[in-house]
Amino acid sequence: SQTIHQWPATLVQPVGSPLSLECTVEGTSNPNLYWYRQAAGRGLQLLFYSVGIGQISSEVPQNLSASRPQDRQFILSSKKLLLSDSGFYLCAWSDEGPSQPQHFGDGTRLSIL
Amino acid sequence: DQQVKQNSPSLSVQEGRISILNCDYTNSMFDYFLWYKKYPAEGPTFLISISSIKDKNEDGRFTVFLNKSAKHLSLHIVPSQPGDSAVYFCAPLKGGADGLTFGKGTHLIIQP
Repeated sequence: SQTIHQWPATLVQPVGSPLSLECTVEGTSNPNLYWYRQAAGRGLQLLFYSVGIGQISSEVPQNLSASRPQDRQFILSSKKLLLSDSGFYLCAWSDEGPSQPQHFGDGTRLSIL
Repeated sequence: DQQVKQNSPSLSVQEGRISILNCDYTNSMFDYFLWYKKYPAEGPTFLISISSIKDKNEDGRFTVFLNKSAKHLSLHIVPSQPGDSAVYFCAPLKGGADGLTFGKGTHLIIQP
């Protein structure tokens, strides 16, 4: 069966520091991969999605970036964190093809001080 | 521009009764609609979906209804159980590899 792992579960970082969140999927090949963020009091917002290695689509302008160095690995990064980057970050995967349900990891709670 | 609206932030239902969660959307390009359930400090869990070519999909205690002309869908849970207490998100999809567009969620509380 397929599983998705995100780490770390919680992270406290100072403003201006770099960020690297990692997500890996097991038990499937060529998945579509996604990064979402839920800010306080708001719904889930799509940040990035990827349909293959090295292919990244960005949904909103921000100081975050994403990379997919391997088929089942998705990384969310920042060179300099802002206070507004605080939130709950979720990675998700789906089978390739249209109208496939997305399956989420347990998320990373990021607090910027 | 809020494309997906879940106008009830919370809903309280007695155990054993029916829970009805509502969702309205504005984008006519959505062609697939998913419902997710989320517990605190966990990722959302896929619950049930419906294609835009259908008006009803049923899976055990969960039924989703779609009214395309009204751009409205609802999730019915019957009978409601204590473990159903969670936040429920409506999440339409435009197909392809695009990400989901989530509503803000409805916090369902099942009272004993």
